[in-house]
Amino acid sequence: AQSVTQPDIHITVSEGASLELRCNYSYGATPYLFWYVQSPGQGLQLLLKYFSGDTLVQGIKGFEAEFKRSQSSFNLRKPSVHWSDAAEYFCAVGARGNEKLTFGTGTRLTIIP
Amino acid sequence: GAVVSQHPSRVICKSGTSVKIECRSLDFQATTMFWYRQFPKQSLMLMATSNEGSKATYEQGVEKDKFLINHASLTLSTLTVTSAHPEDSSFYICSARDVASGGSGQFFGPGTRLTVL
Repeated sequence: AQSVTQPDIHITVSEGASLELRCNYSYGATPYLFWYVQSPGQGLQLLLKYFSGDTLVQGIKGFEAEFKRSQSSFNLRKPSVHWSDAAEYFCAVGARGNEKLTFGTGTRLTIIP
Repeated sequence: GAVVSQHPSRVICKSGTSVKIECRSLDFQATTMFWYRQFPKQSLMLMATSNEGSKATYEQGVEKDKFLINHASLTLSTLTVTSAHPEDSSFYICSARDVASGGSGQFFGPGTRLTVL
């Protein structure tokens, strides 16, 4: 069975600082990996995804993530956060050929001035 | 881009009544849609997979007679919460898979906040 762990429940960073959100997955083969962002009371917006190829994936809003097979990780990064980045971030894993997604518990990001 | 809508965005109902939530793919065809529920400050839990023209596949522990799913067309899936109770209060989110995009993931609706009094 596939699973996702987001070890950080809540992270606070200063505006302009760099950000890294951790995600570890468990899956028997090469997974599909996703990062979604959710603003309060809203649905999910896809930030980026990894299916194959280049392990460094660029997404929207200046985010990137790196797939590291040896560490079973898919950490999300941004070099300089903006106040509008404050939201809940979810990492998800899916199986090839099966679009069922398993989500992590999420990391809430707070931005301080 | 692929857009998924949900209606209503928010609904309040009395205990014992039924509530229908619609999920529509606006600019693409979705043979498969997914229904999730999300409790406050928690992650999304997959409830069921909705397939156009066939019965939905429910996840373990989800009551199929309580959460009725109908995928009537390639752009519409509905979730009906029957005989709703306060413990059914939650945020329900649907997503749709764009077949034409070759498996590029799911597109999520904005969610429906259900409050059962």
